[in-house]
This record gives sequence, C-alpha cells and structure tokens, in this order.
Amino acid sequence: DGGITQSPKYLFRKEGQNVTLSCEQNLNHDAMYWYRQDPGQGLRLIYYSQIVNDFQKGDIAEGYSVSREKKESFPLTVTSAQKNPTAFYLCASSIEPGQVGQPQHFGDGTRLSIL
Amino acid sequence: SQQGEEDPQALSIQEGENATMNCSYKTSINNLQWYRQNSGRGLVHLILIRSNEREKHSGRLRVTLDTSKKSSSLLITASRAADTASYFCATVVRGGGADGLTFGKGTHLIIQP
Repeated sequence: DGGITQSPKYLFRKEGQNVTLSCEQNLNHDAMYWYRQDPGQGLRLIYYSQIVNDFQKGDIAEGYSVSREKKESFPLTVTSAQKNPTAFYLCASSIEPGQVGQPQHFGDGTRLSIL
Repeated sequence: SQQGEEDPQALSIQEGENATMNCSYKTSINNLQWYRQNSGRGLVHLILIRSNEREKHSGRLRVTLDTSKKSSSLLITASRAADTASYFCATVVRGGGADGLTFGKGTHLIIQP
C-alpha cells in the first residue's frame, strides 16, 4: 500500500541535542511538507519542498532544517536552536505543489519530547 | 497567521444525531478542504470544495461553501462512535504561494454511544 511513513513514533531529546525525524513516501508525490502541531492547536507549516533539491521556509522555520536529496524522502532536523521543540510533528505530501490546492496525505506523526 | 477558524471548538452529541461544524476564513480562497484527525494520528483528507462550488456530498458528509460570507460548514449525518475525532478546515489562498494549506484549530467531536 502506498503511503507516508514517519519514524520514530516517539522521540526524546536532551538539551542542546539535534534530532532528525524521518519521513518517507512511496506515493510518487512531488511536494512534501512538515507541520508542527501543539496541543489543541491547528497545524503550522515548518518547511515545504516542491521538488528534489529545493525547499522553502514556512511560517515557523527557525530552529529547524530540512533536506530533499530524494523524491521519496524529506527528513526534518530539530536543532538545539529550537527552544521549545516539544510537539507533534506531521509530514505530508501532495501530487502537485500547494498552489494547485491538491489534497495532502499525512503520515502518523512523531511526538517529540524534551528530557 | 491562521486563515480558518472552526466553530465550535468542541461538540458532543449522541450516536445517530447529525453533527455540524463551521469554518470561517479571512481572504479569498482557491478551495477549502476538510480533514479528520483521530487522537495521536495523522490527518485524513475528507472532502475538497472549490470556490465556484456551493455544496458537495461524500457519503454521510455534506459540505457547503458561502464565499460571500467566507464560511463553510461540514455536516456529518447519522453519526457513529467512529466519527469521534478532531475536524479541521484548511484553505488554499487564491493567488497565494505554493506553500501548502492553512489550517484552523479544529473542532473536537465526541459521539456518545
């Protein structure tokens, strides 16, 4: 079955540590996205990528970094510069970039907590 | 900034009743989408309505769009316990950049058995 796989499901970070969240899709989608969700809140866009080797900052990119070396993969690194990283992180993909307004397919998320 | 705002924030109804939730937005849109999120899971796309459409149906779901009032509603008929989830509206801003969807904070729906 095609879909988006996020790993790990739960992740713990120590102060001053960088951690990387994995996102892999086998839907052959061009566009991929990272969102952050805080309790009782909607989703806020961190980064998005429309094509391999290209990505753009979203609304809350500070303290995060991404890469898009392969079409299937869009890992997110939460750096030590992100002072409040505890949140639920969701990866999504769509057939075409967001300006066309295609529905997005989501992974099941990674819950990041600070030790 | 948040484009869509859902109302109510939380809704509890009996199984078999209809559930209605609303979404208001601020700027002109290309389309509006509704998503469902079960606790601790990712979002699932339910339905998309374009700016030139007024109503759309999918199974037990009915979505309306009123662009003059910048609002949309999602109706779930004959609710079931499995419909318990959070529901989000998401908009694609007309003329906006290719930066994905803008989500509201969601309506948390509880179906009492």
